[in-house]
Amino acid sequence: EVQLIESGGGLVQPGGSLRLSCSASGFSITSHYMHWVRRDPGRGLMWVGFISPDGTRLLYADSVKGRFAISRDIAKNTLYLQMNSLRVEDTAIYSCTRNSDMHPFDPWGLGTLVTVSS
Amino acid sequence: EIVLTQSPDFQSVAPKETVTITCRASQTVGYSLHWYQLKPDQSPKLLIEFTSRSLSGVPSRFSGSGYGTDFTLTISSLEPEDAATYFCHQSKTSSYNFGQGTKLEIK
Repeated sequence: EVQLIESGGGLVQPGGSLRLSCSASGFSITSHYMHWVRRDPGRGLMWVGFISPDGTRLLYADSVKGRFAISRDIAKNTLYLQMNSLRVEDTAIYSCTRNSDMHPFDPWGLGTLVTVSS
Repeated sequence: EIVLTQSPDFQSVAPKETVTITCRASQTVGYSLHWYQLKPDQSPKLLIEFTSRSLSGVPSRFSGSGYGTDFTLTISSLEPEDAATYFCHQSKTSSYNFGQGTKLEIK
């Protein structure tokens, strides 16, 4: 069974950092584009970024570019999201998901809550 | 960047009725438009891929149509468990935009 489980969320002050993890099982993260997507009640769903199957291509939403970085550990089959210079507006549930080229995102992890507040 | 605009933002419908949610794209996405269902404390669930293709296990009362810039999700014979927020999503471009969501309440 394909499963994605996120961890690492929590409460952090503005300007702080956090690293999220996404543990994948039932497939290899090198076989799909792996994405981070965030959601919050006020602004809905927002795509954050992806890493390509071969790991050579990284792409980010403009609002997180230069602050967030996606990486992976192939041996652990785990995806990461390093979040720096966090802002109050980054508060959201962060989920990982996957797709193949131009396909929809499926499945999704439940997500981990990141709260940026002083 | 492609902007997806859903309507309505909220709808309250009685059981057994039919509801239609629309999604309009600011530029063509071809057939690369997908629909998700999101319930509280759950992860988004893919319902319809590539405009009209239903996923295995999704009830047949969910259907999609459209092409280019105008798309619809139709839910017929509504059940109480269909209460959720529905999002459209484009995968034509790598901005992977989502619609703002339509919250569906079952009366």
